Amino acid sequence: AQRVTQPEKLLSVFKGAPVELKCNYSYSGSPELFWYVQYSRQRLQLLLRHISRESIKGFTADLNKGETSFHLKKPFAQEEDSAMYYCALRASGAGSYQLTFGKGTKLSVIP
Amino acid sequence: DTAVSQTPKYLVTQMGNDKSIKCEQNLGHDTMYWYKQDSKKFLKIMFSYNNKELIINETVPNRFSPKSPDKAHLNLHINSLELGDSAVYFCASSPMVGGGGGDMDTQYFGPGTRLTVL
Repeated sequence: AQRVTQPEKLLSVFKGAPVELKCNYSYSGSPELFWYVQYSRQRLQLLLRHISRESIKGFTADLNKGETSFHLKKPFAQEEDSAMYYCALRASGAGSYQLTFGKGTKLSVIP
Repeated sequence: DTAVSQTPKYLVTQMGNDKSIKCEQNLGHDTMYWYKQDSKKFLKIMFSYNNKELIINETVPNRFSPKSPDKAHLNLHINSLELGDSAVYFCASSPMVGGGGGDMDTQYFGPGTRLTVL
């Protein structure tokens, strides 16, 4: 069974400081990894996925299969980045339907 | 306005009551999901339907029964509500399951329904 671990419940950084939200996963096959974000009083929404190799709102995440990690990074935090961030994994292959979410990390950017 | 919508937004009820939460998506997606987010913000999948058929049924009490009258709707009915059922329930949809990545797997979430059981 797959598992996603986000070791930090809360991460506080100052505006302009670099941000790294950690995500580690456990899965024997080839996973697909996602980051979802939930701003205050808003719905959960997709931030980025590893296969796209894109940068969204200045955030990037690289899948490191050796370390089984998919950390989310941003060089300079902004106040509007304050939100709850969830790392999620979808197993590959037939019958792989569900997303397994980590417990989330609350990012607080201090002005 | 294309989206995933849920009603009601807030639901306050007494223990023992039966209640339903409705979810509708007009995105033309094949797959819909129900998630529970507890007070610690932990998000856990409960059910998933693909083209009106149940494909995921995690370990939830059988007091919870999803119903999908058509591909665009997935309602959640809860019998004999308990204090521990208090949470935010999110509906989501995706174009398809196992789509091999890309946009086909992206899940779009509803705004959530905050259920409070007194």
